[in-house]
Amino acid sequence: EVQLLESGGGLVQPGGSLRLSCAASGFPFSTYWMHWVRQAPGKGLVWVSRITRDGTSTSYADSVKGRFTISRDNARDTLYLQMNNLSAEDTAVYYCGVAERSSYGADFWGQGTLVTVSS
Amino acid sequence: QAALTQPPSASGSPGQSVTISCTGTSSDVGSYKYVFWYQQLPGKAPKLILYEVSKRPSGVPDRFFGSKTGNTASLTVSGLQAEDEADYYCSSYAGSNNLVFGGGTKLTVL
Repeated sequence: EVQLLESGGGLVQPGGSLRLSCAASGFPFSTYWMHWVRQAPGKGLVWVSRITRDGTSTSYADSVKGRFTISRDNARDTLYLQMNNLSAEDTAVYYCGVAERSSYGADFWGQGTLVTVSS
Repeated sequence: QAALTQPPSASGSPGQSVTISCTGTSSDVGSYKYVFWYQQLPGKAPKLILYEVSKRPSGVPDRFFGSKTGNTASLTVSGLQAEDEADYYCSSYAGSNNLVFGGGTKLTVL
């Protein structure tokens, strides 16, 4: 059974940093691209970032480019999202997703972790 | 990376059919087969219901049907059931290794 468990969310002050983790199990993690999306309270889904199987290629939404860094540790079956210089607009539930059937869309999403940016 | 356009809401009575549109541009929906649809229940993670425009993962009822014409993809739910009441989101590959989502449609079963 595919499982994705996000962690690392919480309350952070504007300008602060957080690192999110996504622990994967139930599938060969190193085989698939991975994605992060976010959902602000009461709003829709917004794609944030993606990473290839071996981590050598990454891509970001314009809104987070230069502030967020996606990475993965295939030995630990874990995906990461380093978030720097956070602002209130980054407040959201962050979901990690695995792209099994197609690299350009996720088949399965975790339950998410809430990031709140506030002073 | 402008969001795809979905109607904010849609509704239908049990047993009826409803279609939700997802309009993009020739740079995303119009150029690629990588259109995905997700169902999201309140407080839950999104669940994949269609991928590559019209393919259904195992376990998704064949009441869910996807299609695409030009820059617009569509999700049709036939034989509406109370359990179909949820938010629905489309996403598309947008080139340059980027994805874009629609704003979401709240489906109400009357």
